[in-house]
Amino acid sequence: DIVLTQSPGTLSLSPGERATLSCRASQSVSDNYLAWYQQKPGQAPRLLIRDASSRATAIPDRFSGSGSGTDFTLTISRLEPEDFAVYYCQQYGSSPRTFGQGTKVEI
Amino acid sequence: QVQLQESGPGLVKPSGTLSLTCAVSGVSITSTNWWSWVRQSPGKGLEWIGEIFHNGRVNYTPSLKSRVTLSIDKSKNQFSLRLNSVTAADTAVYFCAREGYYYDSGGYPIDHWGQGTLVTVSS
Repeated sequence: DIVLTQSPGTLSLSPGERATLSCRASQSVSDNYLAWYQQKPGQAPRLLIRDASSRATAIPDRFSGSGSGTDFTLTISRLEPEDFAVYYCQQYGSSPRTFGQGTKVEI
Repeated sequence: QVQLQESGPGLVKPSGTLSLTCAVSGVSITSTNWWSWVRQSPGKGLEWIGEIFHNGRVNYTPSLKSRVTLSIDKSKNQFSLRLNSVTAADTAVYFCAREGYYYDSGGYPIDHWGQGTLVTVSS
């Protein structure tokens, strides 16, 4: 199984600041099939980024993904109040699909 | 638009079987997508359980493979999860989801989720 390790565990920032979240894989992610999800309390996750760098439908352009192989990054250029949430990465290049443990972005 | 809705008992006894169904609307379950289950224990992260394609092909996470069965009902446009021999460790919110096919890359990220249903294992 591919183990995804996200860092940091918690990111404390203010609105307007830049957030940089990391996701490191234990082995190369096939075809860079790496997604990022946002989850707010009591809600299902929402797809933000697929294929490491493609924004999903209706996702604001302040969200961007980058990376390849084993190292991936989610960047939120300027945090809006609604961006404070937990973010997960997931690889879907090989079975079983696996998630990272999450990064909480808090005020 | 694509919608998924989980249903099933919210309480299951230890050693019993957890059974959930996901009703899909807005898209045919026989389309070029995989259908999956993900769970989240209280206060914890996401755990992928498995996926099923409309031809019956399945993939399961190894840690649950001996206890889990996914099935699909094309006539009702729904798919189901069965998890047997449950313990308190199986208490979680269970999400059904669509792994949508993207022609530009060939990948199947999870792009639609149900709202989730809490299943508690307790006597």
